Amino acid sequence: SQQGEEDPQALSIQEGENATMNCSYKTSINNLQWYRQNSGRGLVHLILIRSNEREKHSGRLRVTLDTSKKSSSLLITASRAADTASYFCATALTGANSKLTFGKGITLSVRP
Amino acid sequence: DVKVTQSSRYLVKRTGEKVFLECVQDMDHENMFWYRQDPGLGLRLIYFSYDVKMKEKGDIPEGYSVSREKKERFSLILESASTNQTSMYLCASHPGGGRGYGYTFGSGTRLTVV
Repeated sequence: SQQGEEDPQALSIQEGENATMNCSYKTSINNLQWYRQNSGRGLVHLILIRSNEREKHSGRLRVTLDTSKKSSSLLITASRAADTASYFCATALTGANSKLTFGKGITLSVRP
Repeated sequence: DVKVTQSSRYLVKRTGEKVFLECVQDMDHENMFWYRQDPGLGLRLIYFSYDVKMKEKGDIPEGYSVSREKKERFSLILESASTNQTSMYLCASHPGGGRGYGYTFGSGTRLTVV
């Protein structure tokens, strides 16, 4: 069953703009993670935020987590054409070791 | 950096064949996972393993089995391949112990069953 649901399903922006992607989930989590997938390749881990954290930064990435609303957002600032990819959120449930459940993904297109 | 290597990038097999997908990681990770990825369905967990010779079913184990005889290698087996198993298969590993690390994925194997 899908635990994470990303929104929107697809996003198209101009280079230099910010991209905001959202993820909602249903049950209590240990942590939430975001991954990127370039076309036809494996997923690359971007950032992990624990359930007791509210915001985290990594380079041009900013992730927020609102456990009361069971939602997270990924912000990519000053986007580049190389950011064009699919982005997935994944949740690790409380007590479930490291097993992750992935959403269906968001397709981001950054126009040069 | 941890590397997860999947033996084939592309594979074409016939219906009814027994298919082996191999995955090897080089950083002594405890946990290994097999997912399949289909358009519109995202990633779905097939099987996972927290230790050598240990395996647990994921969300869609039917038609698959796995083997983990050595810590670094996790094999996915399609006992009798069918066309509905045409998919992208992704292997991943993780250090284990609930530590705050993400998964490391292989590059994927795109399997076509004809």
